[in-house]
Order: sequence, then C-alpha cells, then structure tokens
Amino acid sequence: NAGVTQTPKFQVLKTGQSMTLQCAQDMNHNSMYWYRQDPGMGLRLIYYSASEGTTDKGEVPNGYNVSRLNKREFSLRLESAAPSQTSVYFCASRTRQITYEQYFGPGTRLTVT
Amino acid sequence: KNEVEQSPQNLTAQEGEFITINCSYSVGISALHWLQQHPGGGIVSLFMLSSGKKKHGRLIATINIQEKHSSLHITASHPRDSAVYICAVRSPSGSARQLTFGSGTQLTVLP
Repeated sequence: NAGVTQTPKFQVLKTGQSMTLQCAQDMNHNSMYWYRQDPGMGLRLIYYSASEGTTDKGEVPNGYNVSRLNKREFSLRLESAAPSQTSVYFCASRTRQITYEQYFGPGTRLTVT
Repeated sequence: KNEVEQSPQNLTAQEGEFITINCSYSVGISALHWLQQHPGGGIVSLFMLSSGKKKHGRLIATINIQEKHSSLHITASHPRDSAVYICAVRSPSGSARQLTFGSGTQLTVLP
C-alpha cells in the first residue's frame, strides 16, 4: 500500500497562475483533508471531505477550491496564485477506527513569486 | 476555536537525556494526538490519547483532561529522535473530527 500520495513535490508559480495539487489514498478512508503549513504556525485546515461527494471549508479556504473526484482522490486547486499562498501543503486521510488517526502525504512545497 | 500551545518551541538535548514537551489547550476535547514531523517533512502519528497515559518504546504520552494539558516524554533520547513534535486536539463535534494543531516543538538531540 502506498498510503497517501501527493503530486507534485515541488512547484514554483508566478502570481496569477493556476495549478492543481493532486492527492490519492489507497486505504479506503472516507475522510480526506488539505492543510497548509507555514513557519511558526500549526497546520491549518483549508478544506475537508467527510465522504465521497461532499466537501466543506476549513479555517483558511479563501483562494482555494477542491474536488473529491472519487473515494480515493481529493484535489486542491489554486485558481489565481498569490504570494501569500507560498506554503507547504499536506493532504491527509483519516481512519474510521477508534483512534481517528490521520495519515499524511509527503507534502508539496509551493512557492509563488 | 481551540487554542493549542506547545512549549518549548525549540529544545536541544544531549544524547541520553530525558525530554519533556508540553501541550495545553483552551477548550474541552474528545482526544489529543501527538505527531512527529521528520526533517524531510513527512508527518506520522505517534499517539492518540483521551485519558491517562500511553507508552510506545521510549516514548510516553500523558494527558490531564481537567487541567487541559498533555506531555510527551522521551527517555534515553537519541539523535534519531531529532524532529518536530506536534500536538493536535480533536473537536468533540463535527462530522470530520477536525484537528487543531499546535505550532510544534523542534527537538535536536546532539550525539
């Protein structure tokens, strides 16, 4: 099992460009999450999906859109990138077992110039 | 919104030392998670606690629900323990069982 995979690992964008970050999990989890991690701050939730076909805003959704394509895949789109979106982005999925443990992807380091 | 505070922000220790990282939160929770972020960036879960104490190898995590406080202890620390340790609390409500994260404690263990 690959767990949670993310692509790309690194990306540099110019202000105003768009891109989609891809995430997939092979653990048959219902819930999936997108976070951003900035220096000196904890992981912050951008969007989440409690199940296939549903998505909800998290703490910092402005400037982002998401798609839960199927149970495995949850993508994050930046329509018009801004320097404030320079960050490391993590996708995660969550088990339904009692631990509610989240499994994280390796992260995408995005720089917007 | 729950506020999660970790201390210290940075910690340097000599190999073999006993290490304690603290986490406090402001609002009642259903559970608390400790995670480890490796120097390469990968994040893995270490513990989930809703009460008492858990132990995995040299790592021990405790939680005091009344005091809204948790500690992560590392016994006989080793340079491979060098990482960022993150505390996260789980809201008791909401369908996605969202986590609120602390900003992390950077641990460096010197040989």
